[in-house]
Amino acid sequence: AQKVTQAQTEISVVEKEDVTLDCVYETRDTTYYLFWYKQPPSGELVFLIRRNSFDEQNEISGRYSWNFQKSTSSFNFTITASQVVDSAVYFCALSDLSKAAGNKLTFGGGTRVLVKP
Amino acid sequence: GAGVSQSPSNKVTEKGKDVELRCDPISGHTALYWYRQSLGQGLEFLIYFQGNSAPDKSGLPSDRFSAERTGGSVSTLTIQRTQQEDSAVYLCASSLDGSGTGVSDNQPQHFGDGTRLSIL
Repeated sequence: AQKVTQAQTEISVVEKEDVTLDCVYETRDTTYYLFWYKQPPSGELVFLIRRNSFDEQNEISGRYSWNFQKSTSSFNFTITASQVVDSAVYFCALSDLSKAAGNKLTFGGGTRVLVKP
Repeated sequence: GAGVSQSPSNKVTEKGKDVELRCDPISGHTALYWYRQSLGQGLEFLIYFQGNSAPDKSGLPSDRFSAERTGGSVSTLTIQRTQQEDSAVYLCASSLDGSGTGVSDNQPQHFGDGTRLSIL
């Protein structure tokens, strides 16, 4: 069975600080995808990044960066120089590539990030 | 519209009543998913539709829950004889073909704003 663990339930930082969100996953599959989604107070889940299990290169997009380490089954997310607009709940998710699964997502419990001005 | 549209945005009903929640996916997306977000259970998969294939209902919590997708587009999630534990936000998502097994597949799912269901 698949499982995603986000150990941090809530993180509070002051604006301009960096914040790293941890994500650890479990799967028996050798091929799979990992995702991060942002859920602002408005409620809509916003897609941030998709990474497949064959690609362990780290990725940077603006102030966001992701560190995928297959050896430790982790896919951590860092926000650099945080801003108040980054305040949201962030979800890490996993899906496998089996046809039967239909790419349904298994979500972690989410990490609430509060950025104070 | 540009995104996934769900209606109603809020629904309050009495225990025992039936409710219908609607999802209009992004045009051209063949895969459609329903999830439920509740305080105690987090985000849970409910059901998945892909084209004309039989839906994957493995996440439905009981036989009071059902869903259909007409014409490969709009989907309706129905909850019969609602219970208080059904109170949650019901999220719909759609994506391009979700049936692929290659590394170029597994398209990201795009979510609607959800329907907040409250059972009194």
